[in-house]
Amino acid sequence: EAQVTQNPRYLITVTGKKLTVTCSQNMNHEYMSWYRQDPGLGLRQIYYSMNVEVTDKGDVPEGYKVSRKEKRNFPLILESPSPNQTSLYFCASSKRKETGLGNFLGGFGYTFGSGTRLTVV
Amino acid sequence: QKEVEQNSGPLSVPEGAIASLNCTYSDRGSQSFFWYRQYSGKSPELIMFIYSNGDKEDGRFTAQLNKASQYVSLLIRDSQPSDSATYLCAGNSGGSYIPTFGRGTSLIVHP
Repeated sequence: EAQVTQNPRYLITVTGKKLTVTCSQNMNHEYMSWYRQDPGLGLRQIYYSMNVEVTDKGDVPEGYKVSRKEKRNFPLILESPSPNQTSLYFCASSKRKETGLGNFLGGFGYTFGSGTRLTVV
Repeated sequence: QKEVEQNSGPLSVPEGAIASLNCTYSDRGSQSFFWYRQYSGKSPELIMFIYSNGDKEDGRFTAQLNKASQYVSLLIRDSQPSDSATYLCAGNSGGSYIPTFGRGTSLIVHP
């Protein structure tokens, strides 16, 4: 089954304790991204990756790190979590779509993981 | 700042009616648009994408794009209570790798 797998689904942690949320996709997608979703604020992009070893900041990257050593995996790292990082997190992936006007990713839409609900106390 | 705007709702329609969800965008360079459905506590699920002006139909869903008016909509025919969810609109500029999401419209279909 084609899917994006995130782990864990739920996590409660304490301020300052490093954590990693894993994300893996089995669709050979080039593009992967992390979002957080908060009430009233919608989906906000944290980091994205266009391919292996290529990552870039989204709208809200502060306090997060990512890596893309393999095409299928895109872990999200919180080095020193704080309560304002309490949120619902989604990993998403997409196949690259090439057009005559140039290449862009996400042209076929995104497949999202099931989400990770993180609480930092 | 590229923006995608949606009315947060809730939009309430009776079962069997047509639900009309609307989205406007600020970036005239946007070329691709997507509609996602998100049930409470679940992840967004892609319903449709549309690139060209006009209508695109898929089952009970029709996406409409008007680039001159910078407007995209989603029509759901024969609405069912199971369609009750938040619907997210997203747009990509032609050369951008970063999609912009609207904040979503809550749809309630009542029996």
